[in-house]
Amino acid sequence: AQSVTQLDSQVPVFEEAPVELRCNYSSSVSVYLFWYVQYPNQGLQLLLKYLSGSTLVESINGFEAEFNKSQTSFHLRKPSVHISDTAEYFCAVREKAAGNKLTFGGGTRVLVKP
Amino acid sequence: EPEVTQTPSHQVTQMGQEVILRCVPISNHLYFYWYRQILGQKVEFLVSFYNNEISEKSEIFDDQFSVERPDGSNFTLKIRSTKLEDSAMYFCASRPVLAGSGEQYFGPGTRLTVT
Repeated sequence: AQSVTQLDSQVPVFEEAPVELRCNYSSSVSVYLFWYVQYPNQGLQLLLKYLSGSTLVESINGFEAEFNKSQTSFHLRKPSVHISDTAEYFCAVREKAAGNKLTFGGGTRVLVKP
Repeated sequence: EPEVTQTPSHQVTQMGQEVILRCVPISNHLYFYWYRQILGQKVEFLVSFYNNEISEKSEIFDDQFSVERPDGSNFTLKIRSTKLEDSAMYFCASRPVLAGSGEQYFGPGTRLTVT
């Protein structure tokens, strides 16, 4: 069975500073990897995903994540955050070969301060 | 842009009562899911549903839980006799059958409070 660990439950960061959210997973088979974002009082929205190919994936709002197979990690980064990036971020995996379910990490709450 | 909707946004119920949480998935999607998040804990998979039957369920999804697609648009989660520990945020999700990546689209959630 797969599992996902997000090491930081909360990350305070100043506006325009960089941020990195760490995600590690364990699985005995190949996986798809996702980052979801939850803004206050809203549902989970897909931020970006890794399916195959280039290990660096980018979102339209400046976030990027890099798949590192040897370290079983999928860390999320943004070089310069905005106040509007204040949200909770969830890393998730799905096994390629079987099943439909997503397995989530515990989430990282990002608070961007002016 | 189409989205998954859920009603109600907040439900308060007494222990032992039945509750039904409602979801309207995106119209051309064929896989449906329920997840829940107990306060301060991870988002956990409950059940997936395809072709009018359960395709996978977790250990959490015991006999007290059931799902139904009663009319071709709604997707419901019923808890027959609620317990205090059922208090959580419940998320519905859906995906189109051709999305091999398993990308799921989530609703805003229903917060269930059992007193």
